[in-house]
Amino acid sequence: KQEVTQIPAALSVPEGENLVLNCSFTDSAIYNLQWFRQDPGKGLTSLLLIQSSQREQTSGRLNASLDKSSGRSTLYIAASQPGDSATYLCAVLEYGNKLVFGAGTILRVKS
Amino acid sequence: GAVVSQHPSRVICKSGTSVKIECRSLDFQATTMFWYRQFPKQSLMLMATSNEGSKATYEQGVEKDKFLINHASLTLSTLTVTSAHPEDSSFYICSAAPQNTEAFFGQGTRLTVV
Repeated sequence: KQEVTQIPAALSVPEGENLVLNCSFTDSAIYNLQWFRQDPGKGLTSLLLIQSSQREQTSGRLNASLDKSSGRSTLYIAASQPGDSATYLCAVLEYGNKLVFGAGTILRVKS
Repeated sequence: GAVVSQHPSRVICKSGTSVKIECRSLDFQATTMFWYRQFPKQSLMLMATSNEGSKATYEQGVEKDKFLINHASLTLSTLTVTSAHPEDSSFYICSAAPQNTEAFFGQGTRLTVV
């Protein structure tokens, strides 16, 4: 059974810092890995999608990497801003089109 | 990207009543849609997979008679919470993913049963 773990569970940083969120998964038989952002009481916003054959994806200040063989992904946020404060979720898409989510990292960027 | 629309975004109902939540794919056809549930400060847990034209597949521990799923067309799936009780209060969210690609999520529905 696929298990997705995110570390740390919560993170508080001053504005301007670069930070790394970690995600690990137990079964490497995945189609892709996706990073999402969730604001309190809201739905999910897709940030980055990495296909299983890819190593990384970049969008603006965000960079996500994937090491499928070791079951790890990282989300790098450069020059963090208070508006980045949210819960960040990673999820792997398994065969059968099933998404398995991690518990998330709650990020707070202090101004 | 593709758009998935979920309605309503928020509903308050009395205990014992039923509530229907709709999930629509607006610009693509989805033979499969997914329903998730999220308790406060917890991650999303898959409840069931909705299959167009056939029965939904429920995850272990999810009562199929409690959470009725209908996927009557390629763009619409509905989740009905029957005889709702306060413990059913939660955040329900649907998603659809064109085969093996990016998953798109609805806005979510905050259900409060009083």
